Amino acid sequence: QKEVEQDPGPLSVPEGAIVSLNCTYSNSAFQYFMWYRQYSRKGPELLMYTYSSGNKEDGRFTAQVDKSSKYISLFIRDSQPSDSATYLCAIGYGNNRLAFGKGNQVVVIP
Amino acid sequence: GAGVSQSPSNKVTEKGKDVELRCDPISGHTALYWYRQSLGQGLEFLIYFQGNSAPDKSGLPSDRFSAERTGGSVSTLTIQRTQQEDSAVYLCASSMGQGVEQYFGPGTRLTVT
Repeated sequence: QKEVEQDPGPLSVPEGAIVSLNCTYSNSAFQYFMWYRQYSRKGPELLMYTYSSGNKEDGRFTAQVDKSSKYISLFIRDSQPSDSATYLCAIGYGNNRLAFGKGNQVVVIP
Repeated sequence: GAGVSQSPSNKVTEKGKDVELRCDPISGHTALYWYRQSLGQGLEFLIYFQGNSAPDKSGLPSDRFSAERTGGSVSTLTIQRTQQEDSAVYLCASSMGQGVEQYFGPGTRLTVT
């Protein structure tokens, strides 16, 4: 079983919709939970991270972690065409080595 | 300030040749990471440096892969006797000390023909 599972299916939404992405993980030793955004032919950029269960908001983005279910989510409110990108969940422990999900390609249609 | 830079941005090589990929981390970042991103596999960890030491090499897929870091700064990832399955985007990231926030470079797209 892969350490982090993220259904890699593409997601198309109309502008203004809420985008919902999620990942599951298997190792309880994971200590922190992250979401990266990657535009085509660019390196991933860190959106947000958290250490604990619960919600963390940053503008239109909300990261949610449920450690008891080993489940993390990212919500994007009022989605914009500029949000069109691939979103990667990443989970870390120990020496900051990150385990990544396969990513979801999101397309926001104007 | 300047971000993580990688060179070359693209590399096409023939099967069996050796290649060297370079990473310049953000100035002052002591930790450096190499990842590989291939279609259908997502991002895979290869190796982690703290200063010039590599305490975690567990992600290197075979002994054809090696990496070094000098002066606590620039790192080189070397792939010997390249194979077609080595074709991927190789990404470098750096962070401050034990910092959680890893900053990625744009990657080197390697194609082995």
